[in-house]
Amino acid sequence: QKEVEQDPGPLSVPEGAIVSLNCTYSNSAFQYFMWYRQYSRKGPELLMYTYSSGNKEDGRFTAQVDKSSKYISLFIRDSQPSDSATYLCAMSALWGSARQLTFGSGTQLTVLP
Amino acid sequence: NAGVTQTPKFQVLKTGQSMTLQCAQDMNHNSMYWYRQDPGMGLRLIYYSASEGTTDKGEVPNGYNVSRLNKREFSLRLESAAPSQTSVYFCASSDSQGTDTQYFGPGTRLTVL
Repeated sequence: QKEVEQDPGPLSVPEGAIVSLNCTYSNSAFQYFMWYRQYSRKGPELLMYTYSSGNKEDGRFTAQVDKSSKYISLFIRDSQPSDSATYLCAMSALWGSARQLTFGSGTQLTVLP
Repeated sequence: NAGVTQTPKFQVLKTGQSMTLQCAQDMNHNSMYWYRQDPGMGLRLIYYSASEGTTDKGEVPNGYNVSRLNKREFSLRLESAAPSQTSVYFCASSDSQGTDTQYFGPGTRLTVL
């Protein structure tokens, strides 16, 4: 079993839809939780990060963390074609001499105009 | 402020050839990382450097070596390339404080024939 599980999709939605992306994890040592967005043939870029359980909102994006259930979500409201990308969840913990990220395998999202 | 830069962008090698992937960051970050990304596998850590002068193995280090040349630069070397090393390679950096967020370069697409 992987430490971080993420549904790979692909997920296709019409423009304006609400999108829900999810990850589950098994390691209680994870402390910070992040979402990265990766456009085709580009490097991942940080979208949001959270530390504690609860919600964090940034424009059309809301990140949700439930540490008791080991479950994180990213909601995208009023989705746009420009949101079409692969979304990676990531979680950080101290391994060896540095804090490291463990990534989910990514969910490919297409928003249709 | 260029962030994280990587060279080359693309490379084709024959089995057994060697090459070095270069990475540099201008954000004065202490930690640097090398990942490979394969379809359905997400990002997997090859090597990391918590600070200048130190390097450590990640999840998939076999067949690779690294050098932390100075605080800005972190290179990845393939001594004898194999087809299994065909992948997209990403370099990342982090200030190792606060939120553990990592900033990624644009990637190098490597094909080994």
